[in-house]
Amino acid sequence: GENVEQHPSTLSVQEGDSAVIKCTYSDSASNYFPWYKQELGKGPQLIIDIRSNVGEKKDQRIAVTLNKTAKHFSLHITETQPEDSAVYFCAAMNYGGSQGNLIFGKGTKLSVKP
Amino acid sequence: EAQVTQNPRYLITVTGKKLTVTCSQNMNHEYMSWYRQDPGLGLRQIYYSMNVEVTDKGDVPEGYKVSRKEKRNFPLILESPSPNQTSLYFCASSFRVEYGYTFGSGTRLTVV
Repeated sequence: GENVEQHPSTLSVQEGDSAVIKCTYSDSASNYFPWYKQELGKGPQLIIDIRSNVGEKKDQRIAVTLNKTAKHFSLHITETQPEDSAVYFCAAMNYGGSQGNLIFGKGTKLSVKP
Repeated sequence: EAQVTQNPRYLITVTGKKLTVTCSQNMNHEYMSWYRQDPGLGLRQIYYSMNVEVTDKGDVPEGYKVSRKEKRNFPLILESPSPNQTSLYFCASSFRVEYGYTFGSGTRLTVV
């Protein structure tokens, strides 16, 4: 089955700096890669996703890149702000085959220092 | 407001006492799923459902049951809870899974 590795487990940056979180996946059939943000005491919230037919996607300060050959994808946050502090999870799925089984990485705790 | 509602938010119970965690969504989503979250292990899928009366096991289904008799509801049942089921549980739903899940606020379960 699919296995998703996520690094680093913790990340501390200064406000205004960029943050990068990296994930690798094992199943070459995976074709959907979402990123979730989880704030303290809340459920994960989808912030951006990418499908295997796209190499990069941006949404304001957030971008995701996908390298299918290397089977890794990354989340990039630019101009970080204190409200970006949270736990971020990557995930992978073959939505044509797994019927909804979204496999998550173990998470990255991002701290943005003012 | 579009949302996934779980109840209760917090629950402390004793080993072996059957319990049900309810989940309801008001978005007419077909896909629903249950995850548990444990420190160092991330989110792991327990069960998922593609539609009414269609359910399947995720990665950690042992000790859990689910049912999907109505589109909006997807309860999680622990017939005989054990301490290793102490965890934070999330219900999620999606119109189509490749559009991402909407998660509930979580249920923190402690089994003593």
